[in-house]
Amino acid sequence: DGGITQSPKYLFRKEGQNVTLSCEQNLNHDAMYWYRQDPGQGLRLIYYSQIVNDFQKGDIAEGYSVSREKKESFPLTVTSAQKNPTAFYLCASSSGGRETQYFGPGTRLLVL
Amino acid sequence: DAKTTQPTSMDCAEGRAANLPCNHSTISGNEYVYWYRQIHSQGPQYIIHGLKNNETNEMASLIITEDRKSSTLILPHATLRDTAVYYCIVRVATGAGSYQLTFGKGTKLSVIP
Repeated sequence: DGGITQSPKYLFRKEGQNVTLSCEQNLNHDAMYWYRQDPGQGLRLIYYSQIVNDFQKGDIAEGYSVSREKKESFPLTVTSAQKNPTAFYLCASSSGGRETQYFGPGTRLLVL
Repeated sequence: DAKTTQPTSMDCAEGRAANLPCNHSTISGNEYVYWYRQIHSQGPQYIIHGLKNNETNEMASLIITEDRKSSTLILPHATLRDTAVYYCIVRVATGAGSYQLTFGKGTKLSVIP
């Protein structure tokens, strides 16, 4: 069953703690993306990667970090520097930078 | 900033066509119009996209005006499962062969039984 998987569905973070959100795709897509969505708002781009071992900052990269060591995986770390991390995080992928993006089911991050 | 303007909400009777408008008056000649929808607490679902010609697929039709300053997404026979937030997006080049989707607040479509 091809697609994009994100885990976990819900994640709880304590103050000052780093947490990592998983995104895996088996679509053989080159490009992957991370977005953040706040209640009642649209999505905002955090980071994107067009190829393995390369990534670029999006509009709201501060307080986040990513890695792209494998084509199928693009984990996002929410660091303690992100002061307002509570949000719905969405991962997407596309076969190339010009192609249609397809989204995963999302991870909801809550701060305790 | 999003380059599109959409109504905040719309209602549609079940079985009727849903016509969702979008204004994108500052669109450039090589920028595509994309439509996604998002059902509550799920990831956005791709619907359709177009440049200047009308497009149709199994989900919907996209009508783009000749001047490309506006478009309409048409769901021909709306069902209750079409209740969602619909996003109209102008895809913008970010350089180096990559493109960015900038989501606005979209239109909340409610399909009424």
